[in-house]
Amino acid sequence: QVQLQESGPGLVKPSQTLSLTCTVSGGSISSGDHYWSWIRQTPGKGLEWIGSMIYSGSTDYNPSLKSRVSISVDTSKNQFALKLRSVTAADTARYYCARKEGFGDFDYWGLGIQVTVSS
Amino acid sequence: SYVLTQTPSVSLAPGKTATITCGGNDIGSKNVHWYQQKPGQAPLLVIYYDSDRPSGIPERFSGSNSGNTATLTISRVEAGDEADYYCQVWDGSTDQVVFGGGTKLTVL
Repeated sequence: QVQLQESGPGLVKPSQTLSLTCTVSGGSISSGDHYWSWIRQTPGKGLEWIGSMIYSGSTDYNPSLKSRVSISVDTSKNQFALKLRSVTAADTARYYCARKEGFGDFDYWGLGIQVTVSS
Repeated sequence: SYVLTQTPSVSLAPGKTATITCGGNDIGSKNVHWYQQKPGQAPLLVIYYDSDRPSGIPERFSGSNSGNTATLTISRVEAGDEADYYCQVWDGSTDQVVFGGGTKLTVL
């Protein structure tokens, strides 16, 4: 059974970079047609896709965040990471990592991590 | 960009059939996936590729997709089905994942 676990700071100062890591267990991050993804959810709001990356390096990002986002994969640690630069209070959200099956569904999700942007 | 529209809320009594819709331009030509999210929990995939159910999802959950509307149907609704439901597609024309705004299902 594949499991995902987010980790990182729960508080980030405005204008700084939000950095999160997702550790994958129960399966290899470099196998199959899987896109390793980040999704966020603001309080009381819906889901917002941030971006996805396959282990070979191909990435897709939400155009509204593309200028500030990067996703990377570390196959040696079976982890992938999110960096979101120049954060503001609007980036305060619960951040989920998830596995996307090719161009399809998100079949495995982490529990999520709450990140607050505040000085 | 591609937009998915969901009714914000649906309320019904236990034992009834819930119909949750997801509207989008020619959505019938895309693959639609549905997620259930209960308070304090991560989303859970309940329907993928329009009408397939993952292992462990009750047969009461079904999906369809045609024209400009995709539908998630929950038969014999139970109190435990109370949750937010989100539809999702991959928009190949822009290489983006798109989520609907979500529908809150309340079981009276």
